[in-house]
Amino acid sequence: LAKTTQPISMDSYEGQEVNITCSHNNIATNDYITWYQQFPSQGPRFIIQGYKTKVTNEVASLFIPADRKSSTLSLPRVSLSDTAVYYCLVGDKDGGSQGNLIFGKGTKLSVKP
Amino acid sequence: GAVVSQHPSRVICKSGTSVKIECRSLDFQATTMFWYRQFPKKSLMLMATSNEGSKATYEQGVEKDKFLINHASLTLSTLTVTSAHPEDSSFYICSARPHSAGSYEQYFGPGTRLTVT
Repeated sequence: LAKTTQPISMDSYEGQEVNITCSHNNIATNDYITWYQQFPSQGPRFIIQGYKTKVTNEVASLFIPADRKSSTLSLPRVSLSDTAVYYCLVGDKDGGSQGNLIFGKGTKLSVKP
Repeated sequence: GAVVSQHPSRVICKSGTSVKIECRSLDFQATTMFWYRQFPKKSLMLMATSNEGSKATYEQGVEKDKFLINHASLTLSTLTVTSAHPEDSSFYICSARPHSAGSYEQYFGPGTRLTVT
């Protein structure tokens, strides 16, 4: 399973765009990149998932370069409620794998007014 | 859709007793469920992978006789902490992987806060 490296913490202000980069140098061909958000005393919440290039949904965008050794989660115009820990994970696609998720330390994002 | 519930949300028990935590996928079938433990200000740590109808696979360092996992149906997995001790106090989170997942998706429960006194 590919190991991920993220900044421990980031600070931002309301209304700003936040980009959190994750390194996963040993990502495998079948691995997807998934980002989760976790608030204190709650289970993680799925944000976005991608395999390559760019994925966008109503919450965030995920940018993945061609070599897939890193990815960037982009949160547009953050608000105070986006203060949370963000985890980047890589994992196998279905097809025999159990899909074990190994959580790294995550990035603690603090949004200030 | 894709809702996972856990029960109870909080539990306080005395040292030496056993506690059962339920994880249910409410609107989908889950062939595989996962159990995690999270200590304060730490990341989630995978404890075991639970497959319906078969024995759970435990991560290294997790005692299978202490943390009993039963995945009796496609919508229910239970984690029983046996002979609980204060060091077992933690936040336990389950996740479920949809049976028909074509990509890599897991949905997490809200967690169970266990306090052992």
